[in-house]
Amino acid sequence: DVKVTQSSRYLVKRTGEKVFLECVQDMDHENMFWYRQDPGLGLRLIYFSYDVKMKEKGDIPEGYSVSREKKERFSLILESASTNQTSMYLCASGLAGFDEQFFGPGTRLTVL
Amino acid sequence: KQEVTQIPAALSVPEGENLVLNCSFTDSAIYNLQWFRQDPGKGLTSLLLIQSSQREQTSGRLNASLDKSSGRSTLYIAASQPGDSATYLCAVSTGTDKLIFGTGTRLQVFP
Repeated sequence: DVKVTQSSRYLVKRTGEKVFLECVQDMDHENMFWYRQDPGLGLRLIYFSYDVKMKEKGDIPEGYSVSREKKERFSLILESASTNQTSMYLCASGLAGFDEQFFGPGTRLTVL
Repeated sequence: KQEVTQIPAALSVPEGENLVLNCSFTDSAIYNLQWFRQDPGKGLTSLLLIQSSQREQTSGRLNASLDKSSGRSTLYIAASQPGDSATYLCAVSTGTDKLIFGTGTRLQVFP
């Protein structure tokens, strides 16, 4: 079974802090994704990585950056957290060319 | 631009009923369609994936159908149980390795 893990289930941070969300997958997938999920807005893609050190902006990249130094790990970085970044963050991975994605358990981030 | 809609947004049914969840998409040029389940505060669990060349997929009490020409998919749940209570999301792929999600149907099955 594909396993996607995220470093924290719940996180509380203060405005202005730098926040790291980590995601690790164990199936040697080329593609990894970061989404945020908000009530009424559904899942929105923040960033997508299709290979180590390769990334592509999604629909809402503003205020976020990503890092993929190893194939199995994809990090989402909030350089200076703001209250409007309070959300559920979901990581996913998938094989290139197959368009099937497998999700982690999510991180509920609250920015005070 | 591809848009995915799920109706109804919420559904409440008594245990034992057969039910249908709907998903519609505006552009029929899809690569595949995936149905997910999400429990409150949790991640997404993949239920069924239908390739564009397929008409349906089955897994246990779940059956998903796909009609590309009309831009529709349905998820049929037979003999619903309280444990089926969750939000169900559909997502389409256009072959770019990215998915476009609907906003989901929140299902409650009461005893």
